Amino acid sequence: SQTIHQWPATLVQPVGSPLSLECTVEGTSNPNLYWYRQAAGRGLQLLFYSVGIGQISSEVPQNLSASRPQDRQFILSSKKLLLSDSGFYLCAWSTGTEPGDEQYFGPGTRLTVT
Amino acid sequence: AQSVTQLGSHVSVSEGALVLLRCNYSSSVPPYLFWYVQYPNQGLQLLLKYTTGATLVKGINGFEAEFKKSETSFHLTKPSAHMSDAAEYFCAASGYDKVIFGPGTSLSVIP
Repeated sequence: SQTIHQWPATLVQPVGSPLSLECTVEGTSNPNLYWYRQAAGRGLQLLFYSVGIGQISSEVPQNLSASRPQDRQFILSSKKLLLSDSGFYLCAWSTGTEPGDEQYFGPGTRLTVT
Repeated sequence: AQSVTQLGSHVSVSEGALVLLRCNYSSSVPPYLFWYVQYPNQGLQLLLKYTTGATLVKGINGFEAEFKKSETSFHLTKPSAHMSDAAEYFCAASGYDKVIFGPGTSLSVIP
């Protein structure tokens, strides 16, 4: 069966510090991968998605970036965090083989920028 | 452009009462529709989805939703609320590319 992991589970970082969040998927190959952010009391905002190694699409221009160094690894990064980067970050995957494929979500990372 | 709206950011029901969470979508093509549930500090879990075929879709935990094309709606229902149903619920729609999520509805269940 497929599983998706995210780490760390929680993170407290000062403004201006770098960020690296990692997401890995097991039990499938060539998944579509997604990064979402969920601000307090708000819905999901799609940040990045990837259909293959090295292929990243950005939905929202900001100080975040994403990389996919391996087929089942998706990394969210920032060089300098802002207060507004605080939120709950969710990674998700889908097979991407058909329209209407559901997404499977990881447990999330709670980021607090102080 | 596709969009998904959910009427009511917060809904409260009594334990044992009917749960009705509303979702409407706008799309120029027949969409694929989903309901996800999120418990506190967890990721989202798929409750049910509509792709093609029967318009009444049954999901996990006793939930079901009906696709009504004429009303562009996909409302989620459960006949009898349980305390464990308290969570955030997201409606989502996709065409042939990305999934668009609604803003979410927080469901509270009163004992």
